[in-house]
Amino acid sequence: AQKITQTQPGMFVQEKEAVTLDCTYDTSDPSYGLFWYKQPSSGEMIFLIYQGSYDQQNATEGRYSLNFQKARKSANLVISASQLGDSAMYFCAMREGRSNYQLIWGAGTKLIIKP
Amino acid sequence: DSGVTQTPKHLITATGQRVTLRCSPRSGDLSVYWYQQSLDQGLQFLIQYYNGEERAKGNILERFSAQQFPDLHSELNLSSLELGDSALYFCASSTRAREGEKLFFGSGTQLSVL
Repeated sequence: AQKITQTQPGMFVQEKEAVTLDCTYDTSDPSYGLFWYKQPSSGEMIFLIYQGSYDQQNATEGRYSLNFQKARKSANLVISASQLGDSAMYFCAMREGRSNYQLIWGAGTKLIIKP
Repeated sequence: DSGVTQTPKHLITATGQRVTLRCSPRSGDLSVYWYQQSLDQGLQFLIQYYNGEERAKGNILERFSAQQFPDLHSELNLSSLELGDSALYFCASSTRAREGEKLFFGSGTQLSVL
């Protein structure tokens, strides 16, 4: 079974609109963490935001926020006021447990911002 | 710029050959991770080193090996290469591999096996 599911293979969004990228996860470990990374066409992976399973509040980093719904096992990334430079692949990833630091990755969502 | 340096950026080689990918972590980072990104498998964790010692192993083939040197740089050795080994290989680093610590990724080495 997929541990990380990103159901949107691709999205087109008008510049300046808000974007929500979906991510659902599956784990029985009470301690886990969820990451979002951005991969532009140049190839590098850029960290965006992190949410720990015990964090009381939803994570925010500038224009990025994470809509964390623990009961639904979802960790959607919200980008406010999208910009042309936001066009990229976006990956959701999960860390299980505290000792191992192996990230399990989703298949990614290709986001294209239209001018 | 993440501060993680990977060389070479591109590598083209033939089946059966052996290659070495190199990674220099961010200054001060003790932990290094190797990931493989391919079209059919997505991103797969290969192996993690922490301060010179192997910490965790993922989906790494027996034909692949890695090590982390005293100066903390790491090398990933791929031998008896097959067409299916063609992929983007990422190195990432973090300070102490603590919970919630972000991984800083290098730009990757694009390996093409012909």
